[in-house]
Amino acid sequence: EIVMTQSPATLSVSPGERATLSCRASQSVSSNLAWYQQKPGQAPRLLIYGASTRATGIPARFSGSGSGTEFTLTISSLQSEDFAVYYCQQYNNWWTFGQGTKVEIK
Amino acid sequence: QLQLQESGPGLVKPSETLSLTCTVSGGSISSSSYYWGWIRQPPGKGLEWIGSIYYSGSTYYNPSLKSRVTISVDTSKNQFSLKLSSVTAADTAVYYCARLTQTTTYRPGDYFDYWGQGTLVTVSS
Repeated sequence: EIVMTQSPATLSVSPGERATLSCRASQSVSSNLAWYQQKPGQAPRLLIYGASTRATGIPARFSGSGSGTEFTLTISSLQSEDFAVYYCQQYNNWWTFGQGTKVEIK
Repeated sequence: QLQLQESGPGLVKPSETLSLTCTVSGGSISSSSYYWGWIRQPPGKGLEWIGSIYYSGSTYYNPSLKSRVTISVDTSKNQFSLKLSSVTAADTAVYYCARLTQTTTYRPGDYFDYWGQGTLVTVSS
């Protein structure tokens, strides 16, 4: 099983600032990586797939990068609606998720 | 707009079988580019893929759950279902159904782009 490790567990950011979230795979997943946003009481929402392609309707302030084992999700200027938990997910070999990074208001 | 809706009992007794159904509306479950999956999330914890199915009936299960999981599809009703046997308190979770988009024939689906709202299933006597 490919293990996905996200860091940090919690990220405290002020509105308008940049947030950088990391995701590491235990072995290469090529670019077969997705990012999701989850707010309390809601289902996850697809943000990014193919490591860097924004899903339909996702604002340009969300960007993804990386390949192989190291990936980054960047939110360029945090809006109030962006405070949530973010998960990475690999689909190179079955499907596994990271444990999540909570982005909270500083 | 594609919509998925989970349904089933919210309370299951230990050692019994959890059964959930996902009804797909606004699109066909028989579309060739998509698989359909189940994911769960224990309270306050992360996401775990349970299994996936193609409209033809081909299934893929999480190895850690494989011995207890059965996923089936009913194309006439545009539904797919999950059965998880011999449940324990550790199976208490919000269960989501989701669409899995396939971008290459080399893999049985990639990312989950549409999700149901989720349904909480509690295992307790």
